Amino acid sequence: QVQLQESGPGLVKPSETLSLTCTVSGVSINTYYWSWIRQPAGKGLEWIGHMYSSGSTYYNPSLKSRVTMSADTSKNHFSLKLSSVTAADTAVYYCARLPNTSGSYGFDNWGQGTLVTVSS
Amino acid sequence: SYELTQPPSVSVSPGQTASITCSGDKLGDKYACWYQQRPGQSPVLVIYQDSKRPSGIPERFSGSKSGNTATLTISGTQAMDEADYYCQGWDTSTGLFGTGTKVTVL
Repeated sequence: QVQLQESGPGLVKPSETLSLTCTVSGVSINTYYWSWIRQPAGKGLEWIGHMYSSGSTYYNPSLKSRVTMSADTSKNHFSLKLSSVTAADTAVYYCARLPNTSGSYGFDNWGQGTLVTVSS
Repeated sequence: SYELTQPPSVSVSPGQTASITCSGDKLGDKYACWYQQRPGQSPVLVIYQDSKRPSGIPERFSGSKSGNTATLTISGTQAMDEADYYCQGWDTSTGLFGTGTKVTVL
């Protein structure tokens, strides 16, 4: 079955770059789209963006200037970089699979999430 | 900006029906999905394409959409259904989640 696992530093200093990786097992990342979603403590879900392994990317307009997503097909993982972070970027970050770009099938598989805290 | 609005909370007695609405100006343009999130857990897809259930989701979960309002219905609600529920839609290629609804089973 499809499994996703986020990894990366749990603590990032303000103004620095948050970097996370999502390792996928059970399916090649060359198929489907792959997403990042975040959730501040006690708050709702926020779509960060999604990508295809070929390099096509779609970002949340509110974060677009600071977000970069990329994939490493040899390692079957994809990554998120969020630059110039502030305390407002403190959240649980989830990676998820998006079966098609229209989104009609929803985000059908999620990782367990990883907490990233922005603090000096 | 485009928003998806849900009621903050819904209370339901065990065995009764809970309905959660999701309203947004562009919701009628594309399919809506629904997610269940139990405390401390990752969200789980319970409805896609407005009304379809993924494999493994109980039949008591159903979805519908009329115009710009989508509805998630939980029939015969069980204690295990107590969770936060989020609708989700699209504005062209931009994903958007609803404000979330906490379902309490009294």
